[in-house]
Amino acid sequence: EVQLLDSGGGLVQPGGSLRLSCAASGFTFSKYAMSWVRQAPGKGLEWVSAISDTGVDTYYADSVKGRFTISRDYPRNTLYLQMNGLRAEDTALYYCARILVNYWFFDLWGRGTLVTVSS
Amino acid sequence: EIVLTQSPATLSLSPGERVTLSCRASQSISTYLAWYQQKPGQAPRLLIYDASNRATGIPARFSGSGSGTDFTLTVSSLEPEDFAVYYCQHRYNWPLTFGGGTRVEIK
Repeated sequence: EVQLLDSGGGLVQPGGSLRLSCAASGFTFSKYAMSWVRQAPGKGLEWVSAISDTGVDTYYADSVKGRFTISRDYPRNTLYLQMNGLRAEDTALYYCARILVNYWFFDLWGRGTLVTVSS
Repeated sequence: EIVLTQSPATLSLSPGERVTLSCRASQSISTYLAWYQQKPGQAPRLLIYDASNRATGIPARFSGSGSGTDFTLTVSSLEPEDFAVYYCQHRYNWPLTFGGGTRVEIK
C-alpha cells in the first residue's frame, strides 16, 4: 500500500527541539521530492519545507528558516524535520507530503503528527 | 510572497447544486495552481493540478479553470461527500503558499 506514516510529535517547551519522521512505503522514495505542511488548530494550511528527490536542494518558509532542517534517509525511506528553537506559533498538526513528479504539488499525505509548544 | 485569496469564506448549499469557488493570486502565476479538499479529521486530498488537470481518481464532476491571477474550481453537482473545506495552492515560486480556504457546508 502506498502510504506515509508521520510521527515524532509531542509537547515541548518554548525553545525546545523535536524531530519529526515520515516513513514512506509502497513507492520508490528516491524518485520523489518530499515536503512538510502544517496546520495550526482550526486554521488553514501552511507550507513549511521541501526537499528535492536527490536531497541536494532544500527550501523553507521564512517563518522556520534557520530553525528547522529537512533531510531524508534513502535506505530507511524516511523523511525528517528537525525543529529547533520552537515557539508557541509552531503549534500545529504537521503533515508529511509527497510531491507530484515535475510539479510542486502534494499528491500523497500522511495523517499528521501533532506538535504542541507550551510551557 | 504570492498571496492567494479565496472567496467566499463559506458557502451554504444543497446536494445536487452546482458550486464555483474562486482563488485569486496577488500576481500572475500562469496555470501553476492546485486545488485540495479537506474533510474534518483528514489530511487534504489533491483534486486539480496546474489549474485544470484532475488528479488520479478524482471524479469528473470536479473541474478547474483559469490562468494568470484568477482561478475557479467547479463542482457540477454536489454529492454529500463533497461538503468540506477547499484550498488552492500555487507552485510558481518559493515560498509555496495556500489560500485561506473556502468551507462548503450543507444548507
